[in-house]
Amino acid sequence: QSALTQPRSVSGSPGQSVTISCTGTSSDVGGYNYVSWYQQHPGKAPKLIIYDVTKRPSGVPDRFSGSKSGNTASLTISGLQPEDEADYYCCSYAGSYTFEFGGGTKLTVL
Amino acid sequence: EVQLVESGGGLVQPGGSLKLSCAASGFTFSGSAMHWVRQASGKGLEWVGRIRSIANNYATAYAASVKGRFTISRDDSKNMAYLQMNSLKTEDTAVYYCTSSSSGYTSDYWGQGTLVTVSS
Repeated sequence: QSALTQPRSVSGSPGQSVTISCTGTSSDVGGYNYVSWYQQHPGKAPKLIIYDVTKRPSGVPDRFSGSKSGNTASLTISGLQPEDEADYYCCSYAGSYTFEFGGGTKLTVL
Repeated sequence: EVQLVESGGGLVQPGGSLKLSCAASGFTFSGSAMHWVRQASGKGLEWVGRIRSIANNYATAYAASVKGRFTISRDDSKNMAYLQMNSLKTEDTAVYYCTSSSSGYTSDYWGQGTLVTVSS
């Protein structure tokens, strides 16, 4: 069982927006601004899409955004596109130099 | 272009050992932290451990599930990171990824992964 809780699946139609939550505790998500999000297509390595809660690496579309409220971080994808269909994982620093991943969320673009 | 190439995976018996390597290029390796992350087939990502840069005294940290059995090291002269895995268990079976981290707190770039299978 993963330390961070994510919904197992979410879905949306092209052009819509979806939000994926990542719930932890005050010892991880709520205690640090070191939440990152990764996109993984089938058979591929994960790719960083959000870091430090809200920052986007260069080359990542601004349709992807991150936020945090209390012990829950969120990834919002606006203007859904077919290529956004993938698995998404959150990761948080958990203190004592360790990190935790969420269980992953499968995004289906209908 | 950043490249991370893992090698050394394979089949090993329970209780055995294996050493994974990660060859890095395209970025300032010596200034970056390196993480190892694993993924069992059909499962999610699991953080394994991290080694920081010389500026942070090559500090290491490990997940509770591997602490005392796995050791991460690096050779900045060769742009290489390593994961020494001892006392392997069947539950260690996974694809192992190395990742680079400029800040130490994210996995900026990922390798393609190498498969480790622990089975008798």
